Amino acid sequence: SDELTQPPSVSVSPGQTARITCSGDALPKQYAYWYLQRPGQAPVVVIKRDIERPSGIPERFSGSTSGTTVTLTISGVQAEDEADYYCLSTDSSGGYVFGTGTKVTVL
Amino acid sequence: QVQLVQSGSELKKPGASVKVSCKASGYTFTSYSLSWVRQAPGQGLEWMGWINTNTGNPTYAQGFTGRFVFSLDTSVSTSYLQITSLKAEDTAVYFCARVDDDSAYLLYWGQGALVTVSS
Repeated sequence: SDELTQPPSVSVSPGQTARITCSGDALPKQYAYWYLQRPGQAPVVVIKRDIERPSGIPERFSGSTSGTTVTLTISGVQAEDEADYYCLSTDSSGGYVFGTGTKVTVL
Repeated sequence: QVQLVQSGSELKKPGASVKVSCKASGYTFTSYSLSWVRQAPGQGLEWMGWINTNTGNPTYAQGFTGRFVFSLDTSVSTSYLQITSLKAEDTAVYFCARVDDDSAYLLYWGQGALVTVSS
């Protein structure tokens, strides 16, 4: 299956750690990318190629991978991190597929 | 710098058609493919497909064949998304997006265009 499954929501207190998972059968063979989307805005990539942080993205964002699951970790969560997060990968036909999305709420 | 600027919001009646534009600047238009992404109200991102800006050849994702058409006008570095026979469920924000230099992922995004279908 080319589907990417994420938890619908994650709640975290400021300063704590948020972990968002993305599961899919193709993930051991394809890179995953993570996007942050705030209301009314276009998505912004925060992690590329499973674990790389683009320039300009805070160090508190990190990525990891294990088997069919990739994980976005936000360490020391700040209020501004409250947003929707999506993983992205490529499917079996060379197109893209987005994860189901996770809403991160900062308590 | 790379910019993708999309056309404005549209309000259409069911059965009508709409054409959303995505004007690129800051790079050679024909060097990178453009994708289209749909986001219905309160819903997630859906990749609709992409168009090869060098050949004009479109590729549509499952669920986006038939009423959805990607096209180009390379003379003005613009891609278009046309949706025909509009339905209420087509109400969404439509984004165009360009891949990174390695053509690996969607790096540059337009601001999105809201299409509302209502009688």
